[in-house]
Amino acid sequence: DAGVIQSPRHEVTEMGQEVTLRCKPISGHNSLFWYRQTMMRGLELLIYFNNNVPIDDSGMPEDRFSAKMPNASFSTLKIQPSEPRDSAVYFCASSFPGATKNIQYFGAGTRLSVL
Amino acid sequence: AQSVAQPEDQVNVAEGNPLTVKCTYSVSGNPYLFWYVQYPNRGLQFLLKYITGDNLVKGSYGFEAEFNKSQTSFHLKKPSALVSDSALYFCAVRGDDYKLSFGAGTTVTVRA
Repeated sequence: DAGVIQSPRHEVTEMGQEVTLRCKPISGHNSLFWYRQTMMRGLELLIYFNNNVPIDDSGMPEDRFSAKMPNASFSTLKIQPSEPRDSAVYFCASSFPGATKNIQYFGAGTRLSVL
Repeated sequence: AQSVAQPEDQVNVAEGNPLTVKCTYSVSGNPYLFWYVQYPNRGLQFLLKYITGDNLVKGSYGFEAEFNKSQTSFHLKKPSALVSDSALYFCAVRGDDYKLSFGAGTTVTVRA
């Protein structure tokens, strides 16, 4: 299996622009997580999907952030409008059914720079 | 609420020496504990986990971790470190729900 696939790997944009990050989970995994990693705050869970349904989005910073999972093989995280403080590495992770005990497999991440 | 503490920002060891990365946790309910490693410009890679059973867990690349319930610790160990083990290591804990809480990470540097 190719693992969790994220695109793009790097994104540089200007403040105010819309940014869309993409994730393809491992086939057969039904739980999907979006994380943000910064030096100041470490790894933060943004949102969790189970069977394509958002279960917990309490980590989403504000209304500028939105996430969707239209099917089992694709998810997006959108920031509109983007701000410099959104600069971070964004990771997607997926896991097998029964997410409580199971390993989360991470993608390589998208490094976002908002100028 | 659940949390993880990694008390050392950095650990430096010589190649061939034992490596220990410390982790303590706080969680209500049964703890499910994980170690991940992150190499530069890469995602997190799973090393090992403790769910139940033996307190000594063996994982990838010769790493192992010891679960200590009374001390609420889950230290990562490797008997003989390699230069290639230099990376950022994260401890994580999950309680009886899906949320995985990560520590701040420990940078390991193994010098030749």
